[in-house]
Amino acid sequence: EPEVTQTPSHQVTQMGQEVILRCVPISNHLYFYWYRQILGQKVEFLVSFYNNEISEKSEIFDDQFSVERPDGSNFTLKIRSTKLEDSAMYFCASSEELQETQYFGPGTRLLVL
Amino acid sequence: SQKIEQNSEALNIQEGKTATLTCNYTNYSPAYLQWYRQDPGRGPVFLLLIRENEKEKRKERLKVTFDTTLKQSLFHITASQPADSATYLCASYTGGFKTIFGAGTRLFVKA
Repeated sequence: EPEVTQTPSHQVTQMGQEVILRCVPISNHLYFYWYRQILGQKVEFLVSFYNNEISEKSEIFDDQFSVERPDGSNFTLKIRSTKLEDSAMYFCASSEELQETQYFGPGTRLLVL
Repeated sequence: SQKIEQNSEALNIQEGKTATLTCNYTNYSPAYLQWYRQDPGRGPVFLLLIRENEKEKRKERLKVTFDTTLKQSLFHITASQPADSATYLCASYTGGFKTIFGAGTRLFVKA
């Protein structure tokens, strides 16, 4: 069964460093998403991406964040200058159509020291 | 603002019983609601989607209802098993491309 994959599974970085989180969505899906989940809290929407551009973003997704689909398979989330409060699980998801089921990857656990 | 609320208290039930989890939404009318399962340290796994014009949806031991009058969805697991122990998340689109999630309800099924 097709699945969303994410790399790395864990990332430790120093405050102020840039990190890139990678995702490979399900191949025939057209809509891509990033979410984060701070430990013990709810899953929070960050951004959605369709037709090679951001379709919607939350207030969390400020200028420190960017997303890119550099080729036909990868979807990346970049955090330019990490802060301690960026420590969280980051989930990528994809869906075939808008307002259809989103399939989530296993997540990247980011720890900012 | 648009909100989804789930009972934040953990639900403890005996194996074989039916677990019922509640999801309430406020300040919007979702076209559909989704239920996911999340195990510790893992990504949400899709279980069921129910649309506003569907009153009930079933999949094996799972059943979801959607009451637009009460602004509520109920998620039932019949003949529960210890392997059903997890956190269950309710989610929906709020319009556009954004999905919001409830905080989830932790279910513990005792053997």
